Amino acid sequence: DAKTTQPPSMDCAEGRAANLPCNHSTISGNEYVYWYRQIHSQGPQYIIHGLKNNETNEMASLIITEDRKSSTLILPHATLRDTAVYYCIVSRPWGNTGKLIFGQGTTLQVKP
Amino acid sequence: DTAVSQTPKYLVTQMGNDKSIKCEQNLGHDTMYWYKQDSKKFLKIMFSYNNKELIINETVPNRFSPKSPDKAHLNLHINSLELGDSAVYFCASSQEKNEQYFGPGTRLTVT
Repeated sequence: DAKTTQPPSMDCAEGRAANLPCNHSTISGNEYVYWYRQIHSQGPQYIIHGLKNNETNEMASLIITEDRKSSTLILPHATLRDTAVYYCIVSRPWGNTGKLIFGQGTTLQVKP
Repeated sequence: DTAVSQTPKYLVTQMGNDKSIKCEQNLGHDTMYWYKQDSKKFLKIMFSYNNKELIINETVPNRFSPKSPDKAHLNLHINSLELGDSAVYFCASSQEKNEQYFGPGTRLTVT
């Protein structure tokens, strides 16, 4: 599975969009990009995933560059409850055992 | 309704003891997992079961033994507990392999 690189920490003002970048330059053609987050003392929470098209759900948007070497998770209107560690993971969903490899992630601090 | 539940939430025990952590999911998922998160917050998969069959067994001491009585349950038994086993253990389940739903965690402290 490809490795990812994320900034260790970011700040965002409450009500503003939080844009969390992720580099995955060695991603292969059949690997998806997944985002999870872990709020303090809780279990990780699935957010969104995508292959090459941009994706949006009720939690966030995922923008993947055309060459698929990087992506950005967007929380459109960050709230204090979005303060968490955000993990970007690349993995194959098919024929895969479901082995997610978590890196260090980005600690997002949403400030009032 | 809780989707993935774990018991106990906290577990404090002495070195050398044997303990179990239980996990149940009511999502109807086929696959369940155990992860360990150490004091440095690294989250690492330990085991995965699909329909009661072991499919992932990472390099984990054989003191750790997962048991899946049915596809809704995956328990973790740990023999001869050591100080280094202190961590938060998370159970997870999934239908789509990489969309995993995690439990609240069990904080194990070995003294």
